[in-house]
Amino acid sequence: GDSVTQMEGPVTLSEEAFLTINCTYTATGYPSLFWYVQYPGEGLQLLLKATKADDKGSNKGFEATYRKETTSFHLEKGSVQVSDSAVYFCALGPSGGYNKLIFGAGTRLAVHP
Amino acid sequence: NAGVTQTPKFQVLKTGQSMTLQCAQDMNHEYMSWYRQDPGMGLRLIHYSVGAGITDQGEVPNGYNVSRSTTEDFPLRLLSAAPSQTSVYFCASSPRTDRGLSYEQYFGPGTRLTVT
Repeated sequence: GDSVTQMEGPVTLSEEAFLTINCTYTATGYPSLFWYVQYPGEGLQLLLKATKADDKGSNKGFEATYRKETTSFHLEKGSVQVSDSAVYFCALGPSGGYNKLIFGAGTRLAVHP
Repeated sequence: NAGVTQTPKFQVLKTGQSMTLQCAQDMNHEYMSWYRQDPGMGLRLIHYSVGAGITDQGEVPNGYNVSRSTTEDFPLRLLSAAPSQTSVYFCASSPRTDRGLSYEQYFGPGTRLTVT
């Protein structure tokens, strides 16, 4: 079945460092891909999305490109801030008209000053 | 708009007790769902609803019941709590778009449940 695999955390970075969080997926058809972020004590928020191959989603300085050839959707940010400390979830929306998201395990990011 | 609200924020139950987790949204979203979040496992879908009067099972439905009598409310019932149901529970909703139901889900703040 469809699945999402994320790199294990925690990821610890200094402020202004470059961030990459890897995400790969297995799916039939043409899924949509998402990154959600969960700040401490809160629910998940949609960070960015891509609905077809080669689309780039971007928001708040974060970017991810839908790569069908490598079945990947890696999250990147050029310069992280302390306020980016959170748990990041990669998610897949299966093709076929159903909106039951499939989530990865999540990657915790800690950014230190 | 309040968005998606959940009550209570925290709850401790004894094994065998029952309770209902409340979820409400004021965005007129057709789709609502319940997830549980466990360490290292991401979010797993428990039950979902594509509209009032329509519910279906997700990945981990055992031990949970739902109903959807109105568009706004989607309560989750634990009939006989077990320690394995200790988790953080999230309710989410999403709207219908011109292309059908949207994958973009709006999450509530969660309910942390402990079963002893």
